[in-house]
Amino acid sequence: SAVISQKPSRDICQRGTSLTIQCQVDSQVTMMFWYRQQPGQSLTLIATANQGSEATYESGFVIDKFPISRPNLTFSTLTVSNMSPEDSSIYLCSVSQGTTNEKLFFGSGTQLSVL
Amino acid sequence: AQSVAQPEDQVNVAEGNPLTVKCTYSVSGNPYLFWYVQYPNRGLQFLLKYITGDNLVKGSYGFEAEFNKSQTSFHLKKPSALVSDSALYFCAVRWTGRRALTFGSGTRLQVQP
Repeated sequence: SAVISQKPSRDICQRGTSLTIQCQVDSQVTMMFWYRQQPGQSLTLIATANQGSEATYESGFVIDKFPISRPNLTFSTLTVSNMSPEDSSIYLCSVSQGTTNEKLFFGSGTQLSVL
Repeated sequence: AQSVAQPEDQVNVAEGNPLTVKCTYSVSGNPYLFWYVQYPNRGLQFLLKYITGDNLVKGSYGFEAEFNKSQTSFHLKKPSALVSDSALYFCAVRWTGRRALTFGSGTRLQVQP
């Protein structure tokens, strides 16, 4: 199974600033995803990070607010831009391996609090 | 619209008793079904999945789930609950043509000693 390192594990940020979250996987993976888990709620998919091309965003999420990079098959970043208190959430990196491995592996998450 | 529902916010069960955590999904193609568990301050852990084949799927920590196509359900079960099973459980669906998972709202399982 893939081992996912996500940094930072938590942060407290000021309104209007930006935070970049890193996701490093110990092996090459086919797909990388970014999810958000707001307090007391389920996971919501933000976007699929595509290697070598622009990320694919879900309805309600835009590139200007959540720019994503994926320079290779083991690394991705998610930036939360111009933060507001409503962005306070846990942000989770997730990966799947191969074309037949159906399950997703998750990083331990980044707990973001915006003041 | 594609959706997955966990009708119970919380399930309480006494240790040693059987437990069931419910999950239903909207019909669209042949979805893949998953259960994940989230312990406090930890990431999601995979429990089990149904892709095809036998309707009863066995997973980690003694959990199992039964796929019922006619009822579009995928309930999580365990014959004898442990206090250490107390956690947040998520049902998830992968719809045909998508690689990402859609998650249910989660059910908090509380096992009392």
